[in-house]
Amino acid sequence: NAGVTQTPKFQVLKTGQSMTLQCAQDMNHNSMYWYRQDPGMGLRLIYYSASEGTTDKGEVPNGYNVSRLNKREFSLRLESAAPSQTSVYFCASSDLGHEQYFGPGTRLTVT
Amino acid sequence: EDQVTQSPEALRLQEGESSSLNCSYTVSGLRGLFWYRQDPGKGPEFLFTLYSAGEEKEKERLKATLTKKESFLHITAPKPEDSATYLCAVQARGSGTYKYIFGTGTRLKVLA
Repeated sequence: NAGVTQTPKFQVLKTGQSMTLQCAQDMNHNSMYWYRQDPGMGLRLIYYSASEGTTDKGEVPNGYNVSRLNKREFSLRLESAAPSQTSVYFCASSDLGHEQYFGPGTRLTVT
Repeated sequence: EDQVTQSPEALRLQEGESSSLNCSYTVSGLRGLFWYRQDPGKGPEFLFTLYSAGEEKEKERLKATLTKKESFLHITAPKPEDSATYLCAVQARGSGTYKYIFGTGTRLKVLA
């Protein structure tokens, strides 16, 4: 089992460019999450999907969109990247009330 | 407002010097409290889940405990390989039960 996989691992964008971060899990979890992690701020929830076919905003959703493509896949899209979106992005999956499993992260720099 | 606070922010220990990390929480009904370990450049790795006050879990040199207001991660006779950032998270009952609230972590450095 691969667990949670994310692509790409690294990305550099120019302000205004768009990109999609991909996430997939093979643990048959119902819920999936996107977080960003910044120094001193901890993990902040961007969007989550409680189950296939549903998505909801988290703490910091502005500037992002998500798609729950199927039970395995949950993508995060930056439509017009800004320097404030420079961060490390983590995808996670879980079942309700249970621990989350995280991917290896995507390190994004916006210049 | 649901909140998680971890202390200390950073901790340096000599190898073999036992200590504890604290996670204080304020939630409107606790569904679960979770401890993770995060190594530099990697995603958080699950350690323990605690569901009710009085519960304890152990794994090698780590022991997690839970009260109604806080959790402790006790590290007994740590080794340099225990150096990492330790994260605490809670999941609350009620609306938004799918959300996990994270603390900012404790950076642990164990010196040989």
